[in-house]
Amino acid sequence: RKEVEQDPGPFNVPEGATVAFNCTYSNSASQSFFWYRQDCRKEPKLLMSVYSSGNEDGRFTAQLNRASQYISLLIRDSKLSDSATYLCVVNMGSNYQLIWGAGTKLIIKP
Amino acid sequence: NAGVTQTPKFQVLKTGQSMTLQCAQDMNHEYMSWYRQDPGMGLRLIHYSVGAGITDQGEVPNGYNVSRSTTEDFPLRLLSAAPSQTSVYFCASSYSMVGETEAFFGQGTRLTVV
Repeated sequence: RKEVEQDPGPFNVPEGATVAFNCTYSNSASQSFFWYRQDCRKEPKLLMSVYSSGNEDGRFTAQLNRASQYISLLIRDSKLSDSATYLCVVNMGSNYQLIWGAGTKLIIKP
Repeated sequence: NAGVTQTPKFQVLKTGQSMTLQCAQDMNHEYMSWYRQDPGMGLRLIHYSVGAGITDQGEVPNGYNVSRSTTEDFPLRLLSAAPSQTSVYFCASSYSMVGETEAFFGQGTRLTVV
């Protein structure tokens, strides 16, 4: 079993719709969680950290469920510019060994 | 504000050749790392450094060397290129090793070994 698993997609979503995807992690000792965004042939960039209480940044909402060991990302009122691959990242411990999911590809259609 | 600068952007090597991927950051970050990204897989850590003079192996270190003589620079050396090293390589830096610390990436190097 992979340490961090994501549905690779692609998720094809009409503009303006709401889309959500999850990421599961295997190590219950994981401490920090992130969503990164990666545009085609570009470098990953931090989208948002995921806090235990959940957090929201504009149209984006991230949630953490420690009991079931997954994090989620919800995008409301999706824009064409949201088309990208979304990478789930988990910090396994104090030595900052980030474990990366393979990403979920999102395509927003007009 | 340059951030993380990585060169070259593209490279084709013949099997057995060696080369160095350059990485420099101007954010005074202590932590730097090298990843490779392959289709269908998450980024995998090759080597990392927690400060000048200190390096350590990541998940997939074989065939690669690193050094950290200054805070700013963290080059990655391919000793004898193999087709299995065909990949996209990313250098990253961050302020800290723990917590919700953002990793900043270079633009990547697309390496093909023939």
